[in-house]
Amino acid sequence: EAEVAQSPRYKITEKSQAVAFWCDPISGHATLYWYRQILGQGPELLVQFQDESVVDDSQLPKDRFSAERLKGVDSTLKIQPAELGDSAMYLCASTRQDYYEQYFGPGTRLTVT
Amino acid sequence: DQQVKQNSPSLSVQEGRISILNCDYTNSMFDYFLWYKKYPAEGPTFLISISSIKDKNEDGRFTVFLNKSAKHLSLHIVPSQPGDSAVYFCAASKNYGQNFVFGPGTRLSVLP
Repeated sequence: EAEVAQSPRYKITEKSQAVAFWCDPISGHATLYWYRQILGQGPELLVQFQDESVVDDSQLPKDRFSAERLKGVDSTLKIQPAELGDSAMYLCASTRQDYYEQYFGPGTRLTVT
Repeated sequence: DQQVKQNSPSLSVQEGRISILNCDYTNSMFDYFLWYKKYPAEGPTFLISISSIKDKNEDGRFTVFLNKSAKHLSLHIVPSQPGDSAVYFCAASKNYGQNFVFGPGTRLSVLP
């Protein structure tokens, strides 16, 4: 069964450093999402891509976060500089065109020290 | 402003009994709802969905009920199994599938 791949699974970084996460969605899934999940809360949408275009990045802290999906396939989410409050699980999800159910990857657990 | 609420952080149920997980929402524009299950160290897994044109959707042991007037939905699991122990998230969307908003989750423990 196809899965959404994410790497790394765990990342520890010091504040003010740069960090990047990678996501490879299920083949053929045009829509890709990045979520942040803080412990005890539900996932919060950061950015949504349709193919290579950003559909919604209204909740992305653009002063430090950036996301790209250059060829409309895999995607990278970057934080620079990282802050202590960025410690969270970063989840990537994808979905087929005109379908609503999102398939999530295993996430990247970020700890900022 | 939390648009999707799951007021019970945790729930314990005996194996074989019914589990009922509740979700309330504040935005009357939400028209599509999903339930996800999440095990530790894994991403959420889709369980079941319901559109606002329905009031019930069933899939095996899982049934979701939607009460639009009360802005409330519930997930029923019958019979509950120990493998159902996980965190359950309710998610709601406007525009049929755009911009899902997730609730904070309910941790279900099914006791053998």
